[in-house]
Amino acid sequence: GESVGLHLPTLSVQEGDNSIINCAYSNSASDYFIWYKQESGKGPQFIIDIRSNMDKRQGQRVTVLLNKTVKHLSLQIAATQPGDSAVYFCAENIGGTYKYIFGTGTRLKVLA
Amino acid sequence: SQTIHQWPATLVQPVGSPLSLECTVEGTSNPNLYWYRQAAGRGLQLLFYSVGIGQISSEVPQNLSASRPQDRQFILSSKKLLLSDSGFYLCAWSGWENTGELFFGEGSRLTVL
Repeated sequence: GESVGLHLPTLSVQEGDNSIINCAYSNSASDYFIWYKQESGKGPQFIIDIRSNMDKRQGQRVTVLLNKTVKHLSLQIAATQPGDSAVYFCAENIGGTYKYIFGTGTRLKVLA
Repeated sequence: SQTIHQWPATLVQPVGSPLSLECTVEGTSNPNLYWYRQAAGRGLQLLFYSVGIGQISSEVPQNLSASRPQDRQFILSSKKLLLSDSGFYLCAWSGWENTGELFFGEGSRLTVL
């Protein structure tokens, strides 16, 4: 079935290193993708998005890469900080409809 | 700028009691509104969405209902809570232009005892 999944449920990185969180999607009709950060007990925070007509988009310390050929999405966090510790999950949207498909999330742990 | 608020943040209710969770959006007009439930370690489950006042679509048959009495107000309700209704409930909004951006509220933790 259609799904958005994450390869690594837990990712531990040293403070200052770069983090890469991956996501796979299966619906080729999806044309919009979002990365969220969710801290414990809080609502998901919109980090960065990308549309299917792009393969890379950069924000502040974050970069999202989209590979439509293999239906793969990644979030790169530069110089990871303790405040980056959270669960990150991706979401896909199909043609601006109300339907969003969410991954289960990857927990990022930043080691001091 | 647009903001979304939902309350209460935490709620402990006995089985069989009613429920009302409220969500409001500010800084935008005619938003699409959503209620999701998030189970621990699992993805988000869409419960209801609304494209306008009085327009509610239900995704999953359940013990809950939703209403949209005003353009930027979305309410999640139950007449009689079940133990299985416990969870983390999230309100979200997206623009009527359907460009895709989806923004969440801070969530409401419901525990049914």
